[in-house]
Amino acid sequence: QVQLVESGGGVVQPGRSLRLSCAASGFTFSNHGMHWVRQAPGKGLEWVALISYDGSDKDYADSVKGRFTLSRDNSKNTLYLQMNSLRAQDTAVYYCAKDEVPGHDMDVWGQGTTVTVSS
Amino acid sequence: QSALTQPASVSGSPGQSITISCTGTSSDVGGYNYVSWYQQHPGEAPKLMIYEVSNRPSGVSNRFSGSKSGNTASLTISGLQDEDEADYYCNSYTSSSTVVFGGGTKLTVL
Repeated sequence: QVQLVESGGGVVQPGRSLRLSCAASGFTFSNHGMHWVRQAPGKGLEWVALISYDGSDKDYADSVKGRFTLSRDNSKNTLYLQMNSLRAQDTAVYYCAKDEVPGHDMDVWGQGTTVTVSS
Repeated sequence: QSALTQPASVSGSPGQSITISCTGTSSDVGGYNYVSWYQQHPGEAPKLMIYEVSNRPSGVSNRFSGSKSGNTASLTISGLQDEDEADYYCNSYTSSSTVVFGGGTKLTVL
């Protein structure tokens, strides 16, 4: 079945870095863009970033632009989110989600991985 | 990238209908027919319920419907059931080639 599995979350000090991964299965990964969406504790969903099917286009929320970098390895069916200069406000559950054009709907979601930024 | 505006909470009794609004601008909701709605139960990942304003993915009950007028999109749930109690989020594609979510609405089934 179609599945997304995130990993790489953990506790990290402010200013440090962390890399999240999202392993995809059950669909042709290289045909689809992919999103990252986060949810701070007790808060709503916040869109983080979108990468096109081939990795050539990337868009970021203003809150992470310049600090977070998206990449993907279509040979490994894996999406990555490199997070640098982490702040306490980045503490959240991070979800990856499969993109469906043309509306960039998120039709499949992973279970999420938790990132806690704390000293 | 201001969040879309949703009511914080709505409620209804079983069997009734409720509507959740999602207000944006001409740069997002009003500019594109690319509004989606997501249901999230506590401790779970979100689930796509409506895409492109009014389309239902396979497997989603026809009790869920979507519409849009100007800069405001709406999600209507008819024949409310206990399992509909959840948080609901809208999102929209934007003129900046980004995506923006609404703040979320907590639905309580009385």
